[in-house]
Amino acid sequence: SQQGEEDPQALSIQEGENATMNCSYKTSINNLQWYRQNSGRGLVHLILIRSNEREKHSGRLRVTLDTSKKSSSLLITASRAADTASYFCATDDLRVDDKIIFGKGTRLHILP
Amino acid sequence: ETGVTQSPTHLIKTRGQQVTLRCSSQSGHNTVSWYQQALGQGPQFIFQYYREEENGRGNFPPRFSGLQFPNYSSELNVNALELDDSALYLCASSEDPISYEQYFGPGTRLTVT
Repeated sequence: SQQGEEDPQALSIQEGENATMNCSYKTSINNLQWYRQNSGRGLVHLILIRSNEREKHSGRLRVTLDTSKKSSSLLITASRAADTASYFCATDDLRVDDKIIFGKGTRLHILP
Repeated sequence: ETGVTQSPTHLIKTRGQQVTLRCSSQSGHNTVSWYQQALGQGPQFIFQYYREEENGRGNFPPRFSGLQFPNYSSELNVNALELDDSALYLCASSEDPISYEQYFGPGTRLTVT
């Protein structure tokens, strides 16, 4: 079963623009993570935000977390062609021994 | 590069056969998790191994089993393959079971015909 649901499912933007992806989840969490996956390969960890944090930055990435709405957003500023990938949010799920559960992902395509 | 390797890269099997996928964790990581990722979906948690013992399992039948070895390597075994088992199988290592930062391998693409 999926815990997180990313929105939109797919996103195409021009290089240099900002990209925003959203994630909603169903149960209480300890933390939420965002991962990137290039062309069906392994996932790369981008950022982790804890339930008591509201915003976190890492380079061109900005993540927000609203636990009252059970939602998070990932903002990529000044997008580049290399940002073309699928982005997944992942949360710990107490129903599965607190293991990490992934959403279905947002496929981001940066147009030249 | 995460330092996590998987073999083989691709594999084609016939329905009913058995398959073994291998993963070599990052040095010093005593926890490995396995995921199944169907096309267009997010990874689904299969199970986790910690110090050579299963430490949590997702909603997968017993024909999915695993092993973890002292040298940071692990295996995922799937018996009686079904067509729906066709997917990308990912392993991820972490320092310990409570560490949420995982390092993923490149995956093994399994096709069942």
